[in-house]
Amino acid sequence: EDQVTQSPEALRLQEGESSSLNCSYTVSGLRGLFWYRQDPGKGPEFLFTLYSAGEEKEKERLKATLTKKESFLHITAPKPEDSATYLCAVLGGSYKLIFGSGTRLLVRP
Amino acid sequence: DVKVTQSSRYLVKRTGEKVFLECVQDMDHENMFWYRQDPGLGLRLIYFSYDVKMKEKGDIPEGYSVSREKKERFSLILESASTNQTSMYLCASSLRPYNEQFFGPGTRLTVL
Repeated sequence: EDQVTQSPEALRLQEGESSSLNCSYTVSGLRGLFWYRQDPGKGPEFLFTLYSAGEEKEKERLKATLTKKESFLHITAPKPEDSATYLCAVLGGSYKLIFGSGTRLLVRP
Repeated sequence: DVKVTQSSRYLVKRTGEKVFLECVQDMDHENMFWYRQDPGLGLRLIYFSYDVKMKEKGDIPEGYSVSREKKERFSLILESASTNQTSMYLCASSLRPYNEQFFGPGTRLTVL
């Protein structure tokens, strides 16, 4: 069964304190891994797509990496506006997105 | 930029009412999806469509139906709303089945 596990569930950082969010997955025939950001009461906002192990994508303070079993979202020198829930999702052979439960990130000034 | 719009941000309905949730995308995407999001349960796929007039059941289709008469529009229908359908409903679209999905702002539905 395809499965996505995100850790930690919640993360509190001081402004400027870099850290990483983890997304572990089991899927038959990975066709893509996706990272989203979701603010309270809003729809998920697309961040990155990763298709193969070793691939990396960067956008401002965020960097996503992918291995055969997990993905990391690295946040460098975060700011309070980076506070949100970060969702990971995988697309397998069924072409249905399987979402993790998310990591709630709070960055304090 | 891809834009996915949903007809209402907030909706309050009575038990037994028929409810229509509308979704429109402006990027000529082939694929459209309806999810619901609940605390502790995450996002769950209700229905999806890979083409006009075509629809497929997702993981939790019971109590819902969909309509896709035009490529840009995908409607979710609650035939007889029940309190356990109180949730955040999210519409999404993608160019191809394996591409990233772009989400709308969501509709917070409360069924009393």
